[in-house]
Amino acid sequence: EPEVTQTPSHQVTQMGQEVILRCVPISNHLYFYWYRQILGQKVEFLVSFYNNEISEKSEIFDDQFSVERPDGSNFTLKIRSTKLEDSAMYFCASTEGRSNQPQHFGDGTRLSIL
Amino acid sequence: ELKVEQNPLFLSMQEGKNYTIYCNYSTTSDRLYWYRQDPGKSLESLFVLLSNGAVKQEGRLMASLDTKARLSTLHITAAVHDLSATYFCAVDMWGRETSYDKVIFGPGTSLSVIP
Repeated sequence: EPEVTQTPSHQVTQMGQEVILRCVPISNHLYFYWYRQILGQKVEFLVSFYNNEISEKSEIFDDQFSVERPDGSNFTLKIRSTKLEDSAMYFCASTEGRSNQPQHFGDGTRLSIL
Repeated sequence: ELKVEQNPLFLSMQEGKNYTIYCNYSTTSDRLYWYRQDPGKSLESLFVLLSNGAVKQEGRLMASLDTKARLSTLHITAAVHDLSATYFCAVDMWGRETSYDKVIFGPGTSLSVIP
């Protein structure tokens, strides 16, 4: 079965550094999402992306965050200057359409900011 | 802003028992999902509920949606240890009346099934 794949599985970065989290959505999917989950807490929506544009973003998704689909397969989340509170699990998700499909989640990237 | 609540947040139950998890949300939506998460793992889709009165069943789990009451339930029948996990409901703001491409998760219900 096709999967959403995320790399790396674990990223350790110094505070203030830039980090890029990578996702390869399922190939025929058109809608893409990033979520984060601070350890033991709820899953928080960050951003949705369709047709090479951001559709919606949350208050968490401030100027330090950006998303990009640099080619036909990858979908990236960049954090420009990381803070300690950015430490979390980041999940990418994709869906084929918005009619009756669930979102398919990747295995996540654990981001640790030191 | 849409708020999604779940009740209870923690549930410890014996094998063989039945229980219901409740998910309430604060604004109009006719799309709701249930996900399962095992510790340290990703989110697995369990149910997609797309209309008022929708009911879906898979094994020992049954989910329903009442859009008028803004309530979804996840019912567990004759629980087994393998069902121990965290269960999230998630409300989709994409629908007939709105087209916000945003899914808001509840806080999760941590379920432990004790032999």
